[in-house]
Amino acid sequence: AQSVTQLGSHVSVSEGALVLLRCNYSSSVPPYLFWYVQYPNQGLQLLLKYTSAATLVKGINGFEAEFKKSETSFHLTKPSAHMSDAAEYFCAVSERNTDKLIFGTGTRLQVFP
Amino acid sequence: SQTIHQWPATLVQPVGSPLSLECTVEGTSNPNLYWYRQAAGRGLQLLFYSVGIGQISSEVPQNLSASRPQDRQFILSSKKLLLSDSGFYLCAWTMSTDTQYFGPGTRLTVL
Repeated sequence: AQSVTQLGSHVSVSEGALVLLRCNYSSSVPPYLFWYVQYPNQGLQLLLKYTSAATLVKGINGFEAEFKKSETSFHLTKPSAHMSDAAEYFCAVSERNTDKLIFGTGTRLQVFP
Repeated sequence: SQTIHQWPATLVQPVGSPLSLECTVEGTSNPNLYWYRQAAGRGLQLLFYSVGIGQISSEVPQNLSASRPQDRQFILSSKKLLLSDSGFYLCAWTMSTDTQYFGPGTRLTVL
């Protein structure tokens, strides 16, 4: 069965510091992988997705993620955090030819001035 | 362009009362539609999904039901709410085995 593990329910960084949010997946076939961001009391917004093209995926707001099959990981990074990046981030996986998403439990990112 | 609407945005209901949450999508035809629940401090749980009018699949047994009376309308209902039904309810749509797009959500508090 598919699953997604997000290590660290809370991550705190200083403004300007590197952001690293971890996501590991398990899937029996090469998956599609997604990162979504959720601001308080809002729906989820797609940050980026991996669907078998380049393993380094660039998304919105300066975020990027690298698909590493050998490590079954899809970690989200941003070189320099902004205060506006404070939100909850969800990693999700779907197997090819299905349209169901399995979400991780989320990581809340705090950015301090 | 496509847009997805949910209403109401917030709702406070007593235990035992009925529930009806509505989701509509504009700008597309025959989307796959989804209802998720997000409980406090937890991830998203898929509740129902639909691939067409009248076609509903339930992911977890619970106090809720869903219906799709029109192509771009998805309704989440309950006859009698429980305290445990409180949470943030999200509707999503997709046209392919690719990206799901989410609505703004409904915050439900059951007292």
